Amino acid sequence: GAVVSQHPSRVICKSGTSVKIECRSLDFQATTMFWYRQFPKQSLMLMATSNEGSKATYEQGVEKDKFLINHASLTLSTLTVTSAHPEDSSFYICSARFLQDKNTEAFFGQGTRLTVV
Amino acid sequence: SQQGEEDPQALSIQEGENATMNCSYKTSINNLQWYRQNSGRGLVHLILIRSNEREKHSGRLRVTLDTSKKSSSLLITASRAADTASYFCATDAGSGNTGKLIFGQGTTLQVKP
Repeated sequence: GAVVSQHPSRVICKSGTSVKIECRSLDFQATTMFWYRQFPKQSLMLMATSNEGSKATYEQGVEKDKFLINHASLTLSTLTVTSAHPEDSSFYICSARFLQDKNTEAFFGQGTRLTVV
Repeated sequence: SQQGEEDPQALSIQEGENATMNCSYKTSINNLQWYRQNSGRGLVHLILIRSNEREKHSGRLRVTLDTSKKSSSLLITASRAADTASYFCATDAGSGNTGKLIFGQGTTLQVKP
């Protein structure tokens, strides 16, 4: 199957700083990627759809100025958590799908554990 | 937003037993998918069932889909300790081709050796 690589796997940052998380599709061109957030022992909450060459589509309740998404190439999407606060501490996961066929699986990155202190 | 519920939330069984997890959803779908997540890791795709399919098998996995009841089940037969993980259903609600997957609450499965 396709490989999606996410980096870093863990990051600790100080409150008020910004953190960038990278998501790369290693062996296919991903015109669309998805960013999820997961709290401990909970499910994945879709944050936004990242579209190559255009603006991301954010889900209701997600602050676009807080969670900046850039999808500048067909293999890289980035999520920047700006002015991070302890409540932003969470597990962030990206995924990519081939959208030429609606019946396809999603490929997930390994996830990033963000801790804001 | 969550698509629906999964039950049970947690399941503990002995190795060799079967494990059944259920998923309900709210909207019409193109397909329903099941994923596995080991603690602190990304998700791994297990099986996809299309909206016009009723049952699908893959190795020790059996998935059913009842679109009239908007529900699906995942059966893992002859469980192994290595099956210990969280299992999530995800639906592709598919109006337009956004590709979004919406996940259920998940079932945490513990298989005791």
